Amino acid sequence: AQSVTQPDIHITVSEGASLELRCNYSYGATPYLFWYVQSPGQGLQLLLKYFSGDTLVQGIKGFEAEFKRSQSSFNLRKPSVHWSDAAEYFCAVGARDSSYKLIFGSGTRLLVRP
Amino acid sequence: GAVVSQHPSRVICKSGTSVKIECRSLDFQATTMFWYRQFPKQSLMLMATSNEGSKATYEQGVEKDKFLINHASLTLSTLTVTSAHPEDSSFYICSARAGQGLEQFFGPGTRLTVL
Repeated sequence: AQSVTQPDIHITVSEGASLELRCNYSYGATPYLFWYVQSPGQGLQLLLKYFSGDTLVQGIKGFEAEFKRSQSSFNLRKPSVHWSDAAEYFCAVGARDSSYKLIFGSGTRLLVRP
Repeated sequence: GAVVSQHPSRVICKSGTSVKIECRSLDFQATTMFWYRQFPKQSLMLMATSNEGSKATYEQGVEKDKFLINHASLTLSTLTVTSAHPEDSSFYICSARAGQGLEQFFGPGTRLTVL
């Protein structure tokens, strides 16, 4: 079974600063990976996804993530954070089997200082 | 494309009553639908997986007699919380998968409050 770890519960950055949110996964094969963002009381918005191929994935809102098999990681990055990026971010890993289940990390809350 | 809706967006009910939440795929046929529960300040936990025309598969620890899932068509799945109690208050989110696709498309969620 797959699992996901987001080691940072909270991260605070200043507006304009760069951001990296960490995600580590555990899975016996190559997983497929997602990053989602959730604002309070709202549903999930997909930022980006990795299925195969190029390990550097570009997403919406200027986000990118890099799949590193050797480190079992899929960290999310943004070069310059905007105040509107403050939200909860979830990494999710999917199994390449018939269940198509997604397992979510515990989330990282991003706070942005003006 | 790939829009999933949920109804209602919010529901408040009295303890002991049953509540039905609908999940619809608006512009595609959903091979599989998933139901998640999210408690405040926590992550999404998968409750069950349902395929059209067959019984849902529940995750360990989820009471199938309490959380009834019906996937009657390729565009509609319903979750009924039976005899709801305050501890069932949560944010319920559904998702749907199309064809052989790996991606799940998420609904906007339903906030259930049981008094």
